[in-house]
Parts: sequence; C-alpha cells; structure tokens
Amino acid sequence: KQEVTQIPAALSVPEGENLVLNCSFTDSAIYNLQWFRQDPGKGLTSLLLIQSSQREQTSGRLNASLDKSSGRSTLYIAASQPGDSATYLCAVNSNYQLIWGAGTKLIIKP
Amino acid sequence: AAGVIQSPRHLIKEKRETATLKCYPIPRHDTVYWYQQGPGQDPQFLISFYEKMQSDKGSIPDRFSAQQFSDYHSELNMSSLELGDSALYFCASSLGRRGTGGEQYFGPGTRLTVT
Repeated sequence: KQEVTQIPAALSVPEGENLVLNCSFTDSAIYNLQWFRQDPGKGLTSLLLIQSSQREQTSGRLNASLDKSSGRSTLYIAASQPGDSATYLCAVNSNYQLIWGAGTKLIIKP
Repeated sequence: AAGVIQSPRHLIKEKRETATLKCYPIPRHDTVYWYQQGPGQDPQFLISFYEKMQSDKGSIPDRFSAQQFSDYHSELNMSSLELGDSALYFCASSLGRRGTGGEQYFGPGTRLTVT
C-alpha cells in the first residue's frame, strides 16, 4: 500500500530564504507526482507535475525533483515571499488515484 | 482557460438528509475523480470514472454513490448524512486514464456542513 510522508510538518522562515520541502513515498511504481498548494479553507492549486520518467520540473521560483528509485521528491522554493505562506501537499499518482501526504505548513515571515 | 466547475460551493444539511454535489470537468477531459478532505486532514480518494464507467473506488462509504453522465459531468450523491461527513469535497478531471500519467486538475471544492 502506497504511503506518502512529508517532512517537515511545519516550517517558518524569514522572507527571502531559499527552502526545501520533502516528500517520500513507499512504492516506486508511480505514474507521476504532483505538488499542490492549499491556502486555509481553500482549494488545491497544482504547482508542478513530474512524470515518472522525469527528474525535475521548474516553474518560476519553484523547482521540483523526483528520485523514483529512492522514493523521494523535493520542492525547492527560491527567494521566499510572504505570499508563499500556505500548506504544500505532495500527491503521488499510484494505481490511478492520488495518494496524499499530510502537507507542510509554510509560514514566511516579512 | 476553462477549469473544473463544482456546485454548489457551500452546502448546509442536517443529519440524515441527502446531498448531491455536481462536477463539470474541463472540456475534453474523460476522467473524473472525487476526493474528500476533512478538517485538518489530507484529501482522501473516494471514486473515479473514466468514459462514464466507474474505474476505481477508494474509501467511499456505502451511503454515497456517484455517476458520470453522457456529457461527462459527474454527481456525488450522499444519503443519511452524518456529522462526520462535514468536509471539503473536491472534484478533479484529467485526460486519459491508463498509462498516460495525466495531470489531475482540481475544482474549487464544495464545503459540506452537516448539523
């Protein structure tokens, strides 16, 4: 059974710092992995999708990497801004459904 | 660009009542997924449909049923509502089901409150 873990559960950093969020999964047989952002009580915004054959994807200040063999993905956020404050969720497409991590709650202090 | 549409956005029901949530996928998307997110929890997969047929089933209670119609929109029917059904219900759509690794696009969610 696929399990997804995100570390840390919460992170608070000053504005301008570069930071890394971690996601690990137990079964390497995945189709893809998506990173989402969720603001409190709001919907899910897809940030990046990495197909199982890819190693990384970039969008603006975000870079996501995937190491399928070790069951790990990282989301790198460069030059963090207060507007980046949200919960970041990692979801693995395994067996045609998304299996979710519990998220990392990120707070960027001005 | 058109996105996934969900209605209603908010719904308040009493215990033992029924509720119907609707989802309109992105045009030309043939797969619809339903997820439930309880307060402070990560989303849980409920059920999915591909080309109007149920394709995968997750942790959907027997009190819930769903279907996908000929125009590809989907409805989640919830009966005998319980307090624990209060949650955000997300619908997602994608293009292609098997072997394509399709990206799932999410709607804004329906917030169901059961009192």
